[in-house]
Amino acid sequence: AQKVTQAQTEISVVEKEDVTLDCVYETRDTTYYLFWYKQPPSGELVFLIRRNSFDEQNEISGRYSWNFQKSTSSFNFTITASQVVDSAVYFCALSEDDNQGGKLIFGQGTELSVKP
Amino acid sequence: NAGVTQTPKFQVLKTGQSMTLQCAQDMNHEYMSWYRQDPGMGLRLIHYSVGAGITDQGEVPNGYNVSRSTTEDFPLRLLSAAPSQTSVYFCASSSRDRGGYTFGSGTRLTVV
Repeated sequence: AQKVTQAQTEISVVEKEDVTLDCVYETRDTTYYLFWYKQPPSGELVFLIRRNSFDEQNEISGRYSWNFQKSTSSFNFTITASQVVDSAVYFCALSEDDNQGGKLIFGQGTELSVKP
Repeated sequence: NAGVTQTPKFQVLKTGQSMTLQCAQDMNHEYMSWYRQDPGMGLRLIHYSVGAGITDQGEVPNGYNVSRSTTEDFPLRLLSAAPSQTSVYFCASSSRDRGGYTFGSGTRLTVV
């Protein structure tokens, strides 16, 4: 069965600190997709990144970076030099590559608070 | 491009009433799904669809019905509303290559 675990419920940092949000997943499929979404206080869900299981390259986008390690079933998200605008709930999610393509399984989310 | 449109944005129901949450996408996406978000529980999958005429249950399907007669629309029906269905509901769609699921802006439902 598929499962996504975000063990950190809440994280609080001071502006300019680096912060890493952990994500551990479980799946029996060899082909799958991993996602990160941001939910700011306004409530919408903002897509950040997608990774498929065959692409283990780390990705960097500005202050954001992602570390995908199949050996530990982890897909961690790091924000460098955090800013107040990064305050939000962040969700990691998993989709398997079978006929259940509409099925996106979410972790419980990590609430990040960045204080000035 | 409108993306994924959900209506209504807010709704208050009395226990026992029925209603339909509407979801429409204009991106010709094959995959659509409904989630509910409750405090501390993330987003839980209610129902999903891989194409017109094909639907399946997610993690928390009880009390909800769906149908998908067209590619564009995926309505969620509450048969007899209960206070436990008070939640924020999100609809999402994705193309087959899973480039990224696009979410609607959500419906905040309160059942009294």
